[in-house]
Amino acid sequence: EADIYQTPRYLVIGTGKKITLECSQTMGHDKMYWYQQDPGMELHLIHYSYGVNSTEKGDLSSESTVSRIRTEHFPLTLESARPSHTSQYLCASSDPGGHQPQHFGDGTRLSIL
Amino acid sequence: ILNVEQSPQSLHVQEGDSTNFTCSFPSSNFYALHWYRWETAKSPEALFVMTLNGDEKKKGRISATLNTKEGYSYLYIKGSQPEDSATYLCAPSRSNDYKLSFGAGTTVTVRA
Repeated sequence: EADIYQTPRYLVIGTGKKITLECSQTMGHDKMYWYQQDPGMELHLIHYSYGVNSTEKGDLSSESTVSRIRTEHFPLTLESARPSHTSQYLCASSDPGGHQPQHFGDGTRLSIL
Repeated sequence: ILNVEQSPQSLHVQEGDSTNFTCSFPSSNFYALHWYRWETAKSPEALFVMTLNGDEKKKGRISATLNTKEGYSYLYIKGSQPEDSATYLCAPSRSNDYKLSFGAGTTVTVRA
């Protein structure tokens, strides 16, 4: 039973469109993350948040932006989609501390034509 | 980003057989080592979080060991079943920022 939800699961859209990928969790976790994964490659952290009004860039540079206005909600936005943004995007959340497991959503497969 | 290597990249195992595979990571500034199982069309699921050198964790037929001094962890599957088919990801974190760096995974296929 999923406690972290991502929508949409799949999105095919044209170049230049503004896109928002939604992520919500019902566990009350302070920490939330966005990962990007290309086929056969590692998950790369692109954004994370320690709590409301906290956002940080991850290890992999990304043209996307995030916001954290509410604890449960951590949307990711691409202002102008390009084919290079085609990838899978996974959202996760956890309790504070580096030894807490992360809980993942089902991901969004994004394809930019 | 930490350099995390998982080997082999993929393996096939007969139902009922046991198998194991490796995760290698830099030992400096080690904080924790996470293992996740990622089944096709599902989300990654946490298996273990390990912090102590020599630690061993077990969940059903799956177990893991940790060597923080030399920077590696083994994951074992005993008596493999078809439902064990998945990609197994390891991810160490460092003591300075706790962020996870994921390996590319080992994809296990259990043949009936």
